[in-house]
Amino acid sequence: EVVLTQSPSFQSVAPKERVTIACRASQNIVTSLHWYQQKPGQSPKLLVKYGSQSISGVPSRFSGSGSGTDFTLTINSLEAEDAATYYCHQSKSVPWTFGQGTKVEIK
Amino acid sequence: EFQLVQSGGGLVRPGGSLRLSCAGSGFTVSGIYMAWVRQAPGRGLEWVSLIYSAGRTYYADSVKGRFSISGDNSKNTVYLQMNSLRVEDTAVYYCASGSWDGDYGMNVWGQGTTVTVSS
Repeated sequence: EVVLTQSPSFQSVAPKERVTIACRASQNIVTSLHWYQQKPGQSPKLLVKYGSQSISGVPSRFSGSGSGTDFTLTINSLEAEDAATYYCHQSKSVPWTFGQGTKVEIK
Repeated sequence: EFQLVQSGGGLVRPGGSLRLSCAGSGFTVSGIYMAWVRQAPGRGLEWVSLIYSAGRTYYADSVKGRFSISGDNSKNTVYLQMNSLRVEDTAVYYCASGSWDGDYGMNVWGQGTTVTVSS
């Protein structure tokens, strides 16, 4: 099983600042890594797929990078609406797994 | 527009059964994979089950032998049959899929349905 470890678990950031969330896989998953945003009471929303591929309708301030075992989600110029929990997810092998989540709070 | 509409769920006693439904709108569910993901209260996302368009099915160890995923092409619906339910199965359950078969970034999600297992 591929274990995904996200860091940090919690981040408090001021508006317009940059947020960086890391996701480390326990084995090489190439680029089969996806990022989601979830707000309370809502279904998760796909932000980035396959490491760095953008998603139609997702603001350009969200970007992803990485391959192999180390991946990063970056939010440039944080906005109030970005307060949420962010998860990484690997689809390289079954069982699919998720990171434990990173909660982003707006200062 | 691709949509997934969920139904089922509710309160059940330990050892009981429930069936969750996930109906596709705007696309054919038999032509694409479908995943079930759950979220226990205050916890993160947990992958539960997966059915590929070719019919192969997979399960998390925590539900293997108790849950079963299947599809009904005539109703354009995927089901999650949950038997021998445990208190720890209490969660919001989501069905999810991608833009096309083989695209495993899940960008179509159901609205979620709550399953509560309690005596």
